[in-house]
Amino acid sequence: GQQVMQIPQYQHVQEGEDFTTYCNSSTTLSNIQWYKQRPGGHPVFLIQLVKSGEVKKQKRLTFQFGEAKKNSSLHITATQTTDVGTYFCAGVYNFNKFYFGSGTKLNVKP
Amino acid sequence: GAVVSQHPSWVICKSGTSVKIECRSLDFQATTMFWYRQFPKQSLMLMATSNEGSKATYEQGVEKDKFLINHASLTLSTLTVTSAHPEDSSFYICSASGTSGAYEQYFGPGTRLTVT
Repeated sequence: GQQVMQIPQYQHVQEGEDFTTYCNSSTTLSNIQWYKQRPGGHPVFLIQLVKSGEVKKQKRLTFQFGEAKKNSSLHITATQTTDVGTYFCAGVYNFNKFYFGSGTKLNVKP
Repeated sequence: GAVVSQHPSWVICKSGTSVKIECRSLDFQATTMFWYRQFPKQSLMLMATSNEGSKATYEQGVEKDKFLINHASLTLSTLTVTSAHPEDSSFYICSASGTSGAYEQYFGPGTRLTVT
């Protein structure tokens, strides 16, 4: 069945360093979404990518969707302590089936 | 922004009893609601998808007779865990979307269920 793999599981960085998390699907996605879950909180929608090769930016966050629509990445430039949390990708198949990646827990040391 | 509430936020029940969890969209009409289960330090596992007025679609391995989902209105969906057992203890999170299909989901704060 469909499965979305996400790496790394954990990432510890010094404030100011960059951070990247990757998601891969064995089959083609219709679109992909990214969410952030702060410690003790619930997931909050960040962005959705639909087009092949799409790149979107939100301030220090850059989201990419692969040409084959099977992989995606989230890159944070110059991390801040407010970036702490778990970042999940949600691969979507046929525009109606969601599969969340296992998440990448980001810890930022001040 | 869109707000989704869940009630209760936590519940402790005895083995064999049933527990109902409510999920409400407070400021928008939720065409589709999703129910997830999240184990400690793990990802969200989709349990079922429900559209208002129709039967929920359950994911493989999720017992529909055990996890009863009702989506009677555009602002309310309920999940009832029937005959709960300790292994049902988990964090249950609902989310809602204002349209059908793969649009952004707004998550509720979750319900911590502990079955003793």
